[in-house]
Amino acid sequence: DIQMTQSPPSVSASIGDRVTITCRASQGISSWLAWYQQKPGKAPKLLIYAASSLQSGVPSRFSGSGSGTDFTLTISNLQPEDFATYYCQQAESFPLTFGGGTKVEIK
Amino acid sequence: EVQLVESGGGLVQPGGSLRLFCAASGFTFSSYEMSWVRQAPGKGLEWVSHIRTGANAIFYADSVKGRFTISRDNAKNSLYLQMNSLRAEDTAVYYCARENIVAAGNDFDNWGQGTLVTVSS
Repeated sequence: DIQMTQSPPSVSASIGDRVTITCRASQGISSWLAWYQQKPGKAPKLLIYAASSLQSGVPSRFSGSGSGTDFTLTISNLQPEDFATYYCQQAESFPLTFGGGTKVEIK
Repeated sequence: EVQLVESGGGLVQPGGSLRLFCAASGFTFSSYEMSWVRQAPGKGLEWVSHIRTGANAIFYADSVKGRFTISRDNAKNSLYLQMNSLRAEDTAVYYCARENIVAAGNDFDNWGQGTLVTVSS
């Protein structure tokens, strides 16, 4: 199974900050990596697929990069509605696996 | 508008069974692969099972293999998860999720609101 390791587990940031979250796969997954945002009591929301493709309707301040084993989600100009937990997911092969999550909190 | 509505969750004793339902609308259900993903209270996301469009290929997480069965009825726009021999560690919110077909990877562009399964005596 492919293990996904996300860091940091949590980050405190202020409105307008730039936040970077990393995700590492235990083996190469090409660009088959997705990022989700989840708010308390809500379902996850797809932000990025294929490592760097922005899902329709997602603000352009969200961006993804990487390939192989190392990936990054960047949130530029952090907005109040961006405080949430973010998960990466490898979409390359079954069993599908998620990272442990990164909680973005208000500083 | 794409809608996925789960139901069938509830309280069940260890060793018991439960059948979850996911009603799909707003898209051509038969053209999309589907998964169940769960989230234990206060924990992260865990993929559970996946079914191809014609149910010709099915995948399970090791944690549920042999106990859970995924199925679908394309005529009824419905996805199912039969859960047997339930354990306390199966306690979670269960989401049905639609595969994102824009890319060829197995990620999910639409999710239901989830249904809570609690396994406890």
